[in-house]
Amino acid sequence: QSALTQPPSASGSPGQSVTISCTGTSSDVGAYNYVSWYQHHSGKAPKLMIYEVTKRPSGVPDRFSGSKSGNTASLTVSGLQAEDEADYYCTSYAGNNILYVFGTGTKVTVL
Amino acid sequence: QVTLKESGPALVKPTQTLTLTCTFSGFSVTTSQMRASWIRQPPGKALEWLARIDWDDDILYNSSLKTRLTISKDTSKNQVVLTMTDMDPADTATYYCVVGFSSSWYFDYWGQGTLVTVSS
Repeated sequence: QSALTQPPSASGSPGQSVTISCTGTSSDVGAYNYVSWYQHHSGKAPKLMIYEVTKRPSGVPDRFSGSKSGNTASLTVSGLQAEDEADYYCTSYAGNNILYVFGTGTKVTVL
Repeated sequence: QVTLKESGPALVKPTQTLTLTCTFSGFSVTTSQMRASWIRQPPGKALEWLARIDWDDDILYNSSLKTRLTISKDTSKNQVVLTMTDMDPADTATYYCVVGFSSSWYFDYWGQGTLVTVSS
């Protein structure tokens, strides 16, 4: 089972945008529109931010958006705010044996 | 308000069996389309999905760990329980309970996680 590849870190100043990539394979990210993204502040429960590649749950600001091209999904945070500083993880459905595969995680820093 | 709380031992010895309990509030484990999973994250490593039990008792396991895992639910206590046999130091991780409420492939809510260390 191979993890999805994310950059270890990303950063931006308040108000700027940051985009996090999530690269998988044609067996997971590329095969299904079931990529989701989670925000994790240390010591707290991770929170669903994006599901099914582009959909936002109720209550998630529209500053958060998702997309996918081929085997790579992306999460964009526009208009960065201090509270966006957290770890972000992607997940994809990966078929019958593994079901879910996760990204390596990206630490977003607001400068 | 949906909350999930993991509980279990912080320390287990090699070869022992780990039992983790997830207690839910804000919904019933019999809620239609409820899917409860366990996920773990070893220190410095990626998250790994372990097992899932659905509202209708359908059960799925990570094929690489299937022989060591058992997931079950207790409707009277509104809990899901995971047991993992033959624990090894490589199983040291933070274990998360997560839940989804659709037939899709994502997790609506997570618990805060519980750190389990395997050491003699």
